[in-house]
Amino acid sequence: QVLLVQSGAEVMKPGSSVKVSCRVSGGNFDSYGFTWVRQAPGQGLEWLGRITPTLGTTKISQKVQGRITISADEFRNEVNMELRSLESDDTAVYFCARGRENWVDAFEIWGQGTTVTVSP
Amino acid sequence: DIQMTQSPSSLTASVGDRVTVTCRASQDIGSWLAWYQQMPDRPPKLLIYGAFTLQSGVPSRFTGSGSGRDFTLTITSLQPEDFATYYCQHADSFPITFGHGTRVELK
Repeated sequence: QVLLVQSGAEVMKPGSSVKVSCRVSGGNFDSYGFTWVRQAPGQGLEWLGRITPTLGTTKISQKVQGRITISADEFRNEVNMELRSLESDDTAVYFCARGRENWVDAFEIWGQGTTVTVSP
Repeated sequence: DIQMTQSPSSLTASVGDRVTVTCRASQDIGSWLAWYQQMPDRPPKLLIYGAFTLQSGVPSRFTGSGSGRDFTLTITSLQPEDFATYYCQHADSFPITFGHGTRVELK
């Protein structure tokens, strides 16, 4: 059974950077896409971007383009999301998710979520 | 960006009720639509993809329909574990966007 295990909660200062990791447990990257989604407190879901590690391709939301890097570490079997120049509006739970094999943007496996709090 | 408009934003229902949630895309997305269920403090759970294909392990009381711009999620007989928030999501193009959610509460 494949699980996505995310790193722990972070409290960050405005203007700083945060890196959230997502380890693939019980499986490999194979040809799957891995997506990052965030959810601000009491709000809906926001797509941030996707990486397909075996293809080396990424797609990024224009809203965070220039501030975000999504990468994959095949040795550690993890995908990472770094968000820079943090603002209070970046306070959210960040989820990684794996797409289906035949429908890459239907997210069938999710990490437990990582709370990122941006506070002075 | 494609806007996804869900309605209603919330509803109250009883166990055994038939519940319908609708989702309208701002442009034609074919069948590139998925539905998720989210419990409080939990990640979303994929219910349906391709507008009507049930994800493995999801009970058959959940059905999806529609194509183009208008889509529907139906729960044929609401169970206690179905009280949650439901989101639609398109996958037609980038950026992927979600509806704002429909909260299903106990009457």
